Formats: sequence, C-alpha cells, structure tokens
Amino acid sequence: EVQLVESGGGLVKPGGSLRLSCTASGFTFSSYSMNWVRQAPGKGLEWVSFISSSNTYIYHADSVRGRFSISRDNAKNSLYLQMHSLRADDTAIYYCARDTPPTGAPRYFDLWGRGTLVTVSS
Amino acid sequence: IVLTQSPGTLSLSPGERATLSCRASQSVSSSFLAWYQQKPGQAPRLLIYGASSRATGVPDRFSGSGSGTDFTLTISRLEPEDFAVYYCQQFVSSPALSFGGGTKVEIK
Repeated sequence: EVQLVESGGGLVKPGGSLRLSCTASGFTFSSYSMNWVRQAPGKGLEWVSFISSSNTYIYHADSVRGRFSISRDNAKNSLYLQMHSLRADDTAIYYCARDTPPTGAPRYFDLWGRGTLVTVSS
Repeated sequence: IVLTQSPGTLSLSPGERATLSCRASQSVSSSFLAWYQQKPGQAPRLLIYGASSRATGVPDRFSGSGSGTDFTLTISRLEPEDFAVYYCQQFVSSPALSFGGGTKVEIK
C-alpha cells in the first residue's frame, strides 16, 4: 500500500527540541521530493519545509528558518524534521507530503500522511 | 502571494451545486494552482492540479476552472461525502508557496 506514516510528535516545553519522522512505503521514495506541512488546531495549512529527492535542494518557510531542519535517508525510506527553539505557535499537526515531479522546488502534494501532533506548552 | 477563499462557509443540501472561489493577490499561472479536500480528522487529499485537471480517483462531479487571479472549484451535485473543507494552493512563488484559508462546505 502506498502510504506515509509520521511519528515523533508529543508535548514539549517552549525552547525545547523534537525530531519528527516520516516513513514511506509502497513507492520509490528516493525518486520523490518531500515536504512537511503543518496545521495549527482549527486553522489552515502552512507549508514548512521541502527537500529534493537527492538532497540537492532544501527550503524552509520564513517562520521556521534557522530553527527547523529537514533531512532524509533514502536507504531507510525516511524523512525527518528536526525542530529546535520551539514556540507555542509551532503547535500543530505536522504532515509529511509527497511532491509531484519535476521538483527542484515545492509544487503540489499528491500523497499525505495522517500527521503527528506537536504541542508546545509549559 | 495571498490566496483569499470565499465564502468561508457554504451551507448546502445534498444534490445541490457548490461553487467555491479562490482569489490571488497577483496573477497565478493556471499550471500552478491546486485544490485539496480535507475531512475532519483526516489529511488533505489532492483534488485538482493545474487549475482544472482532476487527480487520480477524483469523481467527475469535481471541476476546476479559472485563470489569472480568479479560480473556482465546482462540485456539480453534492454527495454526503463531499461535506468537508476545501483549500486552494499556489506554487508560482515557490518555494514560498501558499494556501488559501479554506472554505467549509456544510450540510444545510
């Protein structure tokens, strides 16, 4: 089955760190660029980060640049989001999302995981 | 680029036609406009890309149109499973892509 499964969310204090993971199955992960998209409770969607299939291109939204870092391990079919200096407004469901080729930059997303909830609170 | 969706909420009955609007703050090539559907507790699902092309498995009651700054998602006859929130998204300014605020289609 073609799917993405996120993990690693949880409750973290302001200023803390967390690492999210996304495991892909059912397709050739190494051929696709990937993204993280988040959704604050009751709010809309916000693109967070992009990484191209071979790590050549990496982009982050202004709101997380310098605090979040996206990476991937194609041998493990896995995508990661390392988050530092977390703030209350980072509280959201974080989705990993597959991009559509050709992709040297984020386009639109044809496969999404179910998401993992990150709560930043003291 | 800011995408403004209207109305915020659309109250309709099954079988009725739904027309959702997405307006961009500057021109967006139709190739760079997509629509998603999100049901409560679920991840978004790609419906339309390139402003008018249906994604795999999307019923033909869903159609997209528009160009420049004005885009429309139309659901010709609402089915019970179509009541959800719909988002438009542009990537002409990629990597600074953006989503609209969403339109909720609710049962009247």
